[in-house]
Amino acid sequence: DAGITQSPRYKITETGRQVTLMCHQTWSHSYMFWYRQDLGHGLRLIYYSAAADITDKGEVPDGYVVSRSKTENFPLTLESATRSQTSVYFCASSETTSGKGPGELFFGEGSRLTVL
Amino acid sequence: GESVGLHLPTLSVQEGDNSIINCAYSNSASDYFIWYKQESGKGPQFIIDIRSNMDKRQGQRVTVLLNKTVKHLSLQIAATQPGDSAVYFCAELSGGSYIPTFGRGTSLIVHP
Repeated sequence: DAGITQSPRYKITETGRQVTLMCHQTWSHSYMFWYRQDLGHGLRLIYYSAAADITDKGEVPDGYVVSRSKTENFPLTLESATRSQTSVYFCASSETTSGKGPGELFFGEGSRLTVL
Repeated sequence: GESVGLHLPTLSVQEGDNSIINCAYSNSASDYFIWYKQESGKGPQFIIDIRSNMDKRQGQRVTVLLNKTVKHLSLQIAATQPGDSAVYFCAELSGGSYIPTFGRGTSLIVHP
């Protein structure tokens, strides 16, 4: 199916464990993003990627690692999960159109992570 | 630092009324604005966008107004329906950046 998909949708893990959230898009969009959403904070950017093999930090990158070996995939890894990383994580992508500037972001359905 | 924010965290309206959701931005270099709708348990969905060379843009039952003088953005929803109940976010981009900044969101509650 075309679109952007995240997995898993729900995950419960324990403090100190490594967790990877997957994100896959079928549009070949250049830009991909990871946001976390917490009550009172809205959407906060963790990492983004402008193209394959190009990633950069966002507002709240500490404790997270990303990679982008292929245009369509942008996994987010919590190397050693902490309770403060309990959140809903959204992946998004956007296309770049020459001469038109940035376009809107397309979001996945989210991955709800609970760290015990 | 520069930020995007919303005036009202919660807006309650009656079905059939018009709704207005406001957004203030402080970055004078912002030149592209987007409104998103997020229903419970789902990801944000694009509603409408506007670039800084426009003051108004209309979609289906929605209108976005941009006042660059006072750095204010609004989303108007005509004949609000229960299905419009959601959290609405404004986002802004500036200077050709592809990285949007999101406001905190306004919860719209539509009473039947």
